[in-house]
Amino acid sequence: GQQLNQSPQSMFIQEGEDVSMNCTSSSIFNTWLWYKQDPGEGPVLLIALYKAGELTSNGRLTAQFGITRKDSFLNISASIPSDVGIYFCAGQWSGSRLTFGEGTQLTVNP
Amino acid sequence: EAQVTQNPRYLITVTGKKLTVTCSQNMNHEYMSWYRQDPGLGLRQIYYSMNVEVTDKGDVPEGYKVSRKEKRNFPLILESPSPNQTSLYFCASGQREADEQYFGPGTRLTVT
Repeated sequence: GQQLNQSPQSMFIQEGEDVSMNCTSSSIFNTWLWYKQDPGEGPVLLIALYKAGELTSNGRLTAQFGITRKDSFLNISASIPSDVGIYFCAGQWSGSRLTFGEGTQLTVNP
Repeated sequence: EAQVTQNPRYLITVTGKKLTVTCSQNMNHEYMSWYRQDPGLGLRQIYYSMNVEVTDKGDVPEGYKVSRKEKRNFPLILESPSPNQTSLYFCASGQREADEQYFGPGTRLTVT
């Protein structure tokens, strides 16, 4: 099956710092999705990417669909305490299953 | 309000005692799925359903059953739970698999 590696596994940062996390795949994907899971809740979609090279922003969040179609990154600028949570990437090749990464646990110290 | 609901939210049970976790969505979505979340392993898909009466295995289907008799409901059944099924379970729905998936609040299951 498709392998999807997400890194880092965890991050401890100070409020105000920028954050970057990424996912790489052993296969080419048509779709990359980034989700956030707040403590005690289900994941919520942050950004969806459908085209190689696409760069999309959602407030302080920016995500890119890698030009090779095998990777994607998510950046968070000027982090705040409510950014705490687990961030998941997910990717899919047409007709195949949606695969989730292992998640990046983000802790923001005030 | 558009939402996915799961019940129960928390469940402690014993090995071998059949249980069902219900999932319901009010968005008329065709696609529904079940995931389990374990530390360091992310979200792994158990079963999914493309539409009513159409279900298929995900990545970790062993020990689970599902049914899709109505569009809005997608229950997860554990006929004979075992301790390795202790996990956090999420139901999700979307118009298609590649579209935004709306997740339920999760069910934390402990099997002793």
